[in-house]
Amino acid sequence: AQTVTQSQPEMSVQEAETVTLSCTYDTSESNYYLFWYKQPPSRQMILVIRQEAYKQQNATENRFSVNFQKAAKSFSLKISDSQLGDTAMYFCAFFVGNQFYFGTGTSLTVIP
Amino acid sequence: GAVVSQHPSRVICKSGTSVKIECRSLDFQATTMFWYRQFPKQSLMLMATSNEGSKATYEQGVEKDKFLINHASLTLSTLTVTSAHPEDSSFYICSARGRGTNTEAFFGQGTRLTVV
Repeated sequence: AQTVTQSQPEMSVQEAETVTLSCTYDTSESNYYLFWYKQPPSRQMILVIRQEAYKQQNATENRFSVNFQKAAKSFSLKISDSQLGDTAMYFCAFFVGNQFYFGTGTSLTVIP
Repeated sequence: GAVVSQHPSRVICKSGTSVKIECRSLDFQATTMFWYRQFPKQSLMLMATSNEGSKATYEQGVEKDKFLINHASLTLSTLTVTSAHPEDSSFYICSARGRGTNTEAFFGQGTRLTVV
């Protein structure tokens, strides 16, 4: 069975600080893709960052970076220099077998 | 990035009527479209997957006669909620994926359905 676990339902961070959101997953597949999506109050799902499982190098996208540990099946998201606009729900997801599997989400609040 | 347009963004309908939600990929051919339902403060629940040239595959517990999905073309999929009831009130999101194994899925803006 494919599962995604986000163990932090809510988190907060001071503006300009760094925060890390955790995600673990379980799959028996070897080829898959990992994503972090952001869902602000508008509820539009926005891709934050993606990682191909076959790549060892951690993906980075401006202030966003991941720590991908394939053996541990861990895929955490680090947000540096947090901004008020980062306040949103964050969903970890992986894609395998033409299907997405989403975690339950982490609600992040950036405090001014 | 690619654009997926979902309409309407909000709809209110009377109990017993049907509502159609459209999902269009504007600048790519969507070989696969996904329909999700999202309850407040919860994750996305996959309802069905629609692949090019085949009928939609529904997840367990999703009534295919109630939630009709039509993947009319490579750029359009529709979800029709038939004989809607208040318990069908929810946020519905579509996403579309193009050809290739490394293409991500792009999400529509979502539709807030309220059945009164």
